[in-house]
Amino acid sequence: DQQVKQNSPSLSVQEGRISILNCDYTNSMFDYFLWYKKYPAEGPTFLISISSIKDKNEDGRFTVFLNKSAKHLSLHIVPSQPGDSAVYFCAASARTRTGANNLFFGTGTRLTVIP
Amino acid sequence: GAGVSQSPSNKVTEKGKDVELRCDPISGHTALYWYRQSLGQGLEFLIYFQGNSAPDKSGLPSDRFSAERTGGSVSTLTIQRTQQEDSAVYLCASSLASGTYEQYFGPGTRLTVT
Repeated sequence: DQQVKQNSPSLSVQEGRISILNCDYTNSMFDYFLWYKKYPAEGPTFLISISSIKDKNEDGRFTVFLNKSAKHLSLHIVPSQPGDSAVYFCAASARTRTGANNLFFGTGTRLTVIP
Repeated sequence: GAGVSQSPSNKVTEKGKDVELRCDPISGHTALYWYRQSLGQGLEFLIYFQGNSAPDKSGLPSDRFSAERTGGSVSTLTIQRTQQEDSAVYLCASSLASGTYEQYFGPGTRLTVT
């Protein structure tokens, strides 16, 4: 049962335009959300995160929006650059009884930025 | 070391054989996680280590899977009597402490069971 869902397996955007990647989750206990970027043959790289007490976090060209009532978050990249082409994973975390911050990942969205 | 390292990068094994996958976390990171990504799936949590505490094994799919972490650093994930459905990329991640959400991933080990 997928608790974090990324319903768009792929997205193509023209260079300079905005990329919007979407993510939905089902578990209301999630209290922290992260976006990871993954290039082929490499592990995921942390990109940006947001706590459930916020609804927006911005870091340079990357902004993450959280809508808790809709259990939805999105990653905006503007302006998009060819180097942003990668697979983007949405992840959510809920502290377990052992203190672990297990991450639950979506299936990823492959972003292609066209020069 | 700069980041999390894993070895081997690729492993092909015959069904029924045992395999060991190694993870070297970032120096000073006390929390270590193992995940796996099967084809077309998101990353699936397997096991978590924090310092000298007993590991959280709640994600291990069967008793053929085990992991240990020696000296609070290097970790080994062992899969006994491998099955074809074990074929996946196995990813290790570490974080500074259990209260830290950001995890830093290694490049993964691609396991293929024939």
